[in-house]
Amino acid sequence: AAGVIQSPRHLIKEKRETATLKCYPIPRHDTVYWYQQGPGQDPQFLISFYEKMQSDKGSIPDRFSAQQFSDYHSELNMSSLELGDSALYFCASSLQKGLQGKLFFGSGTQLSVL
Amino acid sequence: SQQGEEDPQALSIQEGENATMNCSYKTSINNLQWYRQNSGRGLVHLILIRSNEREKHSGRLRVTLDTSKKSSSLLITASRAADTASYFCATDAGNTGKLIFGQGTTLQVKP
Repeated sequence: AAGVIQSPRHLIKEKRETATLKCYPIPRHDTVYWYQQGPGQDPQFLISFYEKMQSDKGSIPDRFSAQQFSDYHSELNMSSLELGDSALYFCASSLQKGLQGKLFFGSGTQLSVL
Repeated sequence: SQQGEEDPQALSIQEGENATMNCSYKTSINNLQWYRQNSGRGLVHLILIRSNEREKHSGRLRVTLDTSKKSSSLLITASRAADTASYFCATDAGNTGKLIFGQGTTLQVKP
């Protein structure tokens, strides 16, 4: 079965650079979520989109922005990167804005900011 | 953690033994979910229990929920070495998928 696909798998950037993370949800899933997991930390909710509109917002820095496109894939854009942005970034997808509860997570993008 | 504590933070057992992990949360919830994460990998959904349920089973997993105490437990019976992973509880206040995760329990199952 198709899963959530994230790219790239690993990304290395310098401070103050920009990064773009991509997420392709499971086909027919209409909701996408972004989570950030720092080293040894629990995942933190960043932002979600339902039917291409922003649905919910969590602890996402103003330097980050995201959108969901017409084909339902989503991109997380991160600018003016800081060392503290180094983390595992997960995308997840679900049906009906999480009404069914279960989220399907991708394998994540490991971002290292040097 | 935004949500609460998981207890214990680390657990080491022998294959065949049972593993129990506990999770406490702070806010009212609509459902509570348990996820598994192998080192540096994605989160895999294990089981979901709704706020009006008290116990749920799935294979070797048993989850309980006590909303009066704002706590949940995950029991893995007859553990296997392949169960070695980190286990996170996550709560959803409004069936929105905006999950608040606990700190996680790292389980090591020795063969």
